[in-house]
Amino acid sequence: EVQLLESGGTLVQPGGSLRLSCAASGFTFNSYAMTWVRQAPGKGLEWVSALSGSGGNTYYADSVKGRFTISRDNSKNTVYLQMNSLRAEDTAVYYCAKAPVSTGGRYHFDYWGQGTLVTVSA
Amino acid sequence: EIVLTQSPGTLSLSPGERATLSCRASQSVSSTYLAWYQQKPGQAPRLLIYGASSRATGIPDRFSGSGSGTDFTLTISRLEPEDFAVFYCQQYGSSRLTFGGGTKVEIK
Repeated sequence: EVQLLESGGTLVQPGGSLRLSCAASGFTFNSYAMTWVRQAPGKGLEWVSALSGSGGNTYYADSVKGRFTISRDNSKNTVYLQMNSLRAEDTAVYYCAKAPVSTGGRYHFDYWGQGTLVTVSA
Repeated sequence: EIVLTQSPGTLSLSPGERATLSCRASQSVSSTYLAWYQQKPGQAPRLLIYGASSRATGIPDRFSGSGSGTDFTLTISRLEPEDFAVFYCQQYGSSRLTFGGGTKVEIK
């Protein structure tokens, strides 16, 4: 059974940093791309970043480029999202999701975690 | 960036009725790289349809997807009580992935 478990969400001040983690199980982790998608309170889904199975290719939404960094440790079956220079508009539930392919950048997502809440506020 | 516009914003229907949801893209989505997701309150999204018309594993056949180019449709043939939720389309025709704003299907 595929399981994705996010952690690391908390209250952080504007301008601060935070690292989210997503621990995966139930599939061959390094064979699949992974992504982060966020959802602001009461709003729709917004794609944030994606990473190929090998970790060699990364993709970012314009809204987070230069501030967020996605990475993965295939020995730990974990994907990370390092978030710097956080803003109030980054407040959201952050979902980790798995793609059914390894690479190419053209990803849809077949399994999702339950999300972790990040609140950016003074 | 491809902008996806979903309509209507809210669809009020009764169980047993047919639901037709639209997703229109600002430019052509290559190779029908269009997915649909269902999200219930307090839950993560669930993949329903990928490749515009292929049902994901375990999805009932009352859900169907169609379309190509810039116009895509999700149809629920007969609404069951558990189908009421918010539905999102997502294009993956380029590496700049985008979601539509969502359509809420509510009980009339």
